[in-house]
Amino acid sequence: DSGVTQTPKHLITATGQRVTLRCSPRSGDLSVYWYQQSLDQGLQFLIQYYNGEERAKGNILERFSAQQFPDLHSELNLSSLELGDSALYFCASSVSSGENSPLHFGNGTRLTVT
Amino acid sequence: DQQVKQNSPSLSVQEGRISILNCDYTNSMFDYFLWYKKYPAEGPTFLISISSIKDKNEDGRFTVFLNKSAKHLSLHIVPSQPGDSAVYFCAAPGGAGGTSYGKLTFGQGTILTVHP
Repeated sequence: DSGVTQTPKHLITATGQRVTLRCSPRSGDLSVYWYQQSLDQGLQFLIQYYNGEERAKGNILERFSAQQFPDLHSELNLSSLELGDSALYFCASSVSSGENSPLHFGNGTRLTVT
Repeated sequence: DQQVKQNSPSLSVQEGRISILNCDYTNSMFDYFLWYKKYPAEGPTFLISISSIKDKNEDGRFTVFLNKSAKHLSLHIVPSQPGDSAVYFCAAPGGAGGTSYGKLTFGQGTILTVHP
């Protein structure tokens, strides 16, 4: 058990809809990261927050947004969903964003867009 | 542009033998590398890392070797056990100079199967 909790585990929704994925980091971790794993693209970094502030951004679509709340949990919002957004979405956390602070991943949310 | 490549989609070895998983990278700015292991229905788990100032790092049955001139790293598992059967990813952070080490570029993964 990594200590990172993601909810829900599975989500099935229709194209055009909006969903929110939730992540609770390990106790004491200040950094939260979101990754997308799709069949053709592998694991792709989306965005990082550190203590409530956006710290780094990857190839995150404009239809996607995230935030980190004062209690350090994070939410990833996906809107105007398309079939191609179907993927596993992982949240990870770490104490900091430094070299000796490896990421601890949650078990992911599987999103299916129909 | 795939900056981290794992060219072998799968590897099958016998229990007790050595497993060697390979990874190549193209970005010479990468100065730190990590290996993650992933079981089905779980998130990736950190296994071992290596800094570019070293050419070898060892942790129990796991050893990572780095050849900077060849832009190549490998993970050795000795002896391999059936419980090691999983997908293995190599990864590199975005770069030095203050870039977040959590912004990882992952390889496509290698499925390791260890037969009893």
